[in-house]
Amino acid sequence: QKEVEQNSGPLSVPEGAIASLNCTYSDRVSQSFFWYRQYSGKSPELIMSIYSNGDKEDGRFTAQLNKASQYVSLLIRDSQPSDSATYLCAVNKRVNTGFQKLVFGTGTRLLVSP
Amino acid sequence: EPEVTQTPSHQVTQMGQEVILRCVPISNHLYFYWYRQILGQKVEFLVSFYNNEISEKSEIFDDQFSVERPDGSNFTLKIRSTKLEDSAMYFCASRLLGTRGTGELFFGEGSRLTVL
Repeated sequence: QKEVEQNSGPLSVPEGAIASLNCTYSDRVSQSFFWYRQYSGKSPELIMSIYSNGDKEDGRFTAQLNKASQYVSLLIRDSQPSDSATYLCAVNKRVNTGFQKLVFGTGTRLLVSP
Repeated sequence: EPEVTQTPSHQVTQMGQEVILRCVPISNHLYFYWYRQILGQKVEFLVSFYNNEISEKSEIFDDQFSVERPDGSNFTLKIRSTKLEDSAMYFCASRLLGTRGTGELFFGEGSRLTVL
């Protein structure tokens, strides 16, 4: 089982629609979860972090976390063509040293058509 | 807004040559990382660094790789003898102090390494 799993897409939505991106993770003790946006040839850019079960909203973005189901999602409301990018789910994984490292999924490519 | 800066943005080298990639993390951050992304693949963890020593490294980070924080600002990744498969985008990242490395990770713009 992959540590962080995402559907690679592409997920195509029309402008103004809600885009829903999903992610599952395998490490049950993970405590912190992140969504990054990556444009082609660019570095990952942090969009949202979430640490507790439930929803967290920031502008057009809502992150949802369900630790019991080991599931994280990102909703993008009123999608814009500029939102077209690859969205990376990342999970903090505790390692033997006691420190944590960020593990990424393969990303979901989102295409928003005008 | 503070940012992680990386140099060079692109380096082309011959197989077997040594390469040093440089990073200046955000000034008050205490955890430093190198990740790499081979074209079309996912972002992969290489190494983490805290309190002037490696705190974790992946199986990718073999004896050909090393990291150093030579002064109070720079954080470098050295590849001693590059191989074709080292061609990738290398990202430096840093994180503010958190409980055992938790907290948000901020990435630099990346250094693209091409090995011929």
